[in-house]
Amino acid sequence: NAGVMQNPRHLVRRRGQEARLRCSPMKGHSHVYWYRQLPEEGLKFMVYLQKENIIDESGMPKERFSAEFPKEGPSILRIQQVVRGDSAAYFCASSPPGLAGGLGAQYFGPGTRLTVL
Amino acid sequence: GENVEQHPSTLSVQEGDSAVIKCTYSDSASNYFPWYKQELGKGPQLIIDIRSNVGEKKDQRIAVTLNKTAKHFSLHITETQPEDSAVYFCAATRSGVQGAQKLVFGQGTRLTINP
Repeated sequence: NAGVMQNPRHLVRRRGQEARLRCSPMKGHSHVYWYRQLPEEGLKFMVYLQKENIIDESGMPKERFSAEFPKEGPSILRIQQVVRGDSAAYFCASSPPGLAGGLGAQYFGPGTRLTVL
Repeated sequence: GENVEQHPSTLSVQEGDSAVIKCTYSDSASNYFPWYKQELGKGPQLIIDIRSNVGEKKDQRIAVTLNKTAKHFSLHITETQPEDSAVYFCAATRSGVQGAQKLVFGQGTRLTINP
């Protein structure tokens, strides 16, 4: 049983470049969540997606950040024109389907550590 | 929105002793409370969770208690071992409501087990 998979594990970008983070949920899971963790801090919710739908993006910055979870393939978190403040660990979690939006526990991937030079 | 406070921020205990971490939440509609263990360089690992229809849950050396009236929940680790050293996070959410699945995390507790 493969867990949540994220790649790349480490990503280095220069200011102004684009960062693309991928997440494959656990088998059978249809809900994907993205969280951001700054050094020595807790995790902050960014976005919650189901296949082809963004359910809650209340934690996403209004500009430069976008997320998708296509019918086929992994979920993608895209950060355009990265700035140094985007340096953080980005974690993806998934949960199984359930009534009215998922009742299952969230299981996290190993994260992508983004460094912006 | 929900706000979760976690204490203490650091905790050091002797191997074999017990450790207790406490969290409070603000949203009385929250009904699901997981605890995660995060080791250095890794993702959070779900270690135990509790739903609001239960007051206590135990899994071997780990237990969680929930007081809905006071809006606080606690993690108890007994007979601590060196491998319990990690950062522990509590979280809360209103599970089961479409669009309300986001976990709100506490600030974390760095637990150190001294041999």
